[in-house]
Amino acid sequence: GDSVTQMEGPVTLSEEAFLTINCTYTATGYPSLFWYVQYPGEGLQLLLKATKADDKGSNKGFEATYRKETTSFHLEKGSVQVSDSAVYFCALSSLDSNYQLIWGAGTKLIIKP
Amino acid sequence: GAVVSQHPSRVICKSGTSVKIECRSLDFQATTMFWYRQFPKQSLMLMATSNEGSKATYEQGVEKDKFLINHASLTLSTLTVTSAHPEDSSFYICSANHRGLGETQYFGPGTRLLVL
Repeated sequence: GDSVTQMEGPVTLSEEAFLTINCTYTATGYPSLFWYVQYPGEGLQLLLKATKADDKGSNKGFEATYRKETTSFHLEKGSVQVSDSAVYFCALSSLDSNYQLIWGAGTKLIIKP
Repeated sequence: GAVVSQHPSRVICKSGTSVKIECRSLDFQATTMFWYRQFPKQSLMLMATSNEGSKATYEQGVEKDKFLINHASLTLSTLTVTSAHPEDSSFYICSANHRGLGETQYFGPGTRLLVL
């Protein structure tokens, strides 16, 4: 079945560092891809999404490009801030899965001042 | 837009009592709502999928008689944890499909349940 694999955390960076959180997927159909973020003590928020190959999702300085050839949707940010400290989840959904989200395990990001 | 609310945000109850959690889509109609459970330091576990006007579809291993789900309208789904026990203590999160945006799910803020 469909699956999502993302890099294990925690990832610890200094403020203003460049961030990459890797996410790869396997899917039989043509999934949409998502990044969700969960700040400490809060619920999940949709960070960005891409619905077809070569689409780039972006929000709050974060970007991710839907790469069908490498089945990847890596999350990047050029200069992280302490306030970006959170858990980031990569996910996919497709018509084949009745639009249920298939989740990665989550990556905890810690940004030090 | 696309705001989902949950109530209550936090609840403490005695073992053996039942707790109801509400999930509402505030500014859109949700054809499908999902209920998740999140254990500490772990990813989300899908418990059930709730479609308006029909019975919920439960994931394997989730007791449907213990976790009662009612999706009464296109904007409201409820999860009732019946005869709660300490092992039911967890963070429960709902999400809703925004009908106009296809497969995007929007999440509620979660409900922290503590069973004493």
